[in-house]
Amino acid sequence: NAGVTQTPKFQVLKTGQSMTLQCAQDMNHNSMYWYRQDPGMGLRLIYYSASEGTTDKGEVPNGYNVSRLNKREFSLRLESAAPSQTSVYFCASSEWDRVVYEQYFGPGTRLTVT
Amino acid sequence: AQSVTQLGSHVSVSEGALVLLRCNYSSSVPPYLFWYVQYPNQGLQLLLKYTTGATLVKGINGFEAEFKKSETSFHLTKPSAHMSDAAEYFCAVSFGSARQLTFGSGTQLTVLP
Repeated sequence: NAGVTQTPKFQVLKTGQSMTLQCAQDMNHNSMYWYRQDPGMGLRLIYYSASEGTTDKGEVPNGYNVSRLNKREFSLRLESAAPSQTSVYFCASSEWDRVVYEQYFGPGTRLTVT
Repeated sequence: AQSVTQLGSHVSVSEGALVLLRCNYSSSVPPYLFWYVQYPNQGLQLLLKYTTGATLVKGINGFEAEFKKSETSFHLTKPSAHMSDAAEYFCAVSFGSARQLTFGSGTQLTVLP
């Protein structure tokens, strides 16, 4: 099992460019998430998908769009990148373990917008 | 709304010394609490979690945490630090059947030789 995989690992964009971050999981989880990590701020939820076909906004959704392509894949799109979107992006997936949703994280994508 | 506060953005300990990383939460309902570890240039890995039952929770790599409802705390401890424990540690909280996690701002642990 690869767990949660993310591509690319690193990316540099110019202001105004667009790109899509890809995420896939092989654990057959229903729920998937996108976070951004900034120094001193922990992880903040951008969007999540409770199940295939549904998506919901998190704490910081502005400037992003998501697509739950199928049960395995959940992509994050920046339509017009801004320097404020320079961050490390993490994808996660989770399943109900009868008590709580436990999240599993990918290795991250480090994005720089110049 | 729930929140998580981690006291101390940087903690340094000597190898072999006690590790204590502090986490406090605010909530009006019983929380589920997590500690994650992030090694350099890697994703987050679950160390341990508290859901219900025993308030002292043991995790991987010799870490444990105790849920203290009266103090709204879930501090992470390890009796003897190893060099390999150097990493960033995040406390997180969720509630009931909610999928979302709320993270603290993280504590960077440095282990000195």
